[in-house]
Amino acid sequence: DAGVIQSPRHEVTEMGQEVTLRCKPISGHDYLFWYRQTMMRGLELLIYFNNNVPIDDSGMPEDRFSAKMPNASFSTLKIQPSEPRDSAVYFCASTSGTGAAYEQYFGPGTRLTVT
Amino acid sequence: QKEVEQDPGPLSVPEGAIVSLNCTYSNSAFQYFMWYRQYSRKGPELLMYTYSSGNKEDGRFTAQVDKSSKYISLFIRDSQPSDSATYLCAIGGGSNYKLTFGKGTLLTVNP
Repeated sequence: DAGVIQSPRHEVTEMGQEVTLRCKPISGHDYLFWYRQTMMRGLELLIYFNNNVPIDDSGMPEDRFSAKMPNASFSTLKIQPSEPRDSAVYFCASTSGTGAAYEQYFGPGTRLTVT
Repeated sequence: QKEVEQDPGPLSVPEGAIVSLNCTYSNSAFQYFMWYRQYSRKGPELLMYTYSSGNKEDGRFTAQVDKSSKYISLFIRDSQPSDSATYLCAIGGGSNYKLTFGKGTLLTVNP
């Protein structure tokens, strides 16, 4: 299996621009999670989906952030407009939701820099 | 009080040392206690986990849970330079499959 795939791996953008991060979960996994990691705050859950439906978006910091999962193999996290404080590494993770449901598998992350 | 507290370190040990990494948590309802390893500029990878209480061993790694103290530990025996990474504890419970992560402890094993 290819594992969780994220793109782009690096993104540098100017304040005010729209940023779209992409994630392909492991095939057959029903749960998808979006995290943000910074030195100050560690790894924070932003939102998660079950069977393509958003279940809990309480971690989304502001209305500037939005996430979608149009099908079982693709999800996006969008920031519009971006701000320098959004600079972080964004991870996507997936899990099967059965048996070892807490075994979340992470992608390589997208390192976002907003100047 | 934060849900999960983890000493950020950094922790530096010589090769072959026994390493102890620890976390405390506040919610006694949590049942899943996970340990992730994260190499520099990589995504976290699941190392091992325990369910409920007790110990679990996997090679040089042992995970322990003390639910009475709300304290979890990861021990690494015969540490190797390749163990140098950030170790993240995470806890979960209930049917939502959410995990709450500690901030991670940076470990360096010196040859």
